Amino acid sequence: ILNVEQSPQSLHVQEGDSTNFTCSFPSSNFYALHWYRWETAKSPEALFVMTLNGDEKKKGRISATLNTKEGYSYLYIKGSQPEDSATYLCAFSFSSASKIIFGSGTRLSIRP
Amino acid sequence: DVKVTQSSRYLVKRTGEKVFLECVQDMDHENMFWYRQDPGLGLRLIYFSYDVKMKEKGDIPEGYSVSREKKERFSLILESASTNQTSMYLCASSPRTSGRVEQYFGPGTRLTVT
Repeated sequence: ILNVEQSPQSLHVQEGDSTNFTCSFPSSNFYALHWYRWETAKSPEALFVMTLNGDEKKKGRISATLNTKEGYSYLYIKGSQPEDSATYLCAFSFSSASKIIFGSGTRLSIRP
Repeated sequence: DVKVTQSSRYLVKRTGEKVFLECVQDMDHENMFWYRQDPGLGLRLIYFSYDVKMKEKGDIPEGYSVSREKKERFSLILESASTNQTSMYLCASSPRTSGRVEQYFGPGTRLTVT
């Protein structure tokens, strides 16, 4: 069974603080790692798709790193803002097939 | 902008009813997916389709069927709704078959079966 684990399940952060959370996935047969942001009452939106060991991707204040050999990815948010409040999902793909396997998400709440 | 729409945001149905959830995408995507999301479990794949009239079972297909008669439309059918099918249902699409391609999601349908 292929499992994608995300930690922590939930996180409360003060506005302006930086934060990070983890996605763990099977290190064998790696193909791609996705990060999605899902705000309440909206559709999940893709943040990053990462494919190479050592990849680092950045979008504004959000960045992600990838270690395929040990099977983890970190998502970082610098200077958290209220609009960053959302559930962050990671998803793992082990082949060129279109199916991806999602973790249960990290729910981030930013306190003003 | 890719747009994926779902027929209802909220739906309440009775046990035993036949339920149709509709999903439409406007970007000519090959692949379409149905997921359900339950607390603590993340998104679980019910069915997906990589072409018109083609379908593949996902991880939890029991109690569901799908229909893809047109490229832009993918329907999820609950043949006889049960209370354990109360959940958030998300539709998604992607342009081609690849685990490296992002998926585009609809806003979800929150289904309650009483």
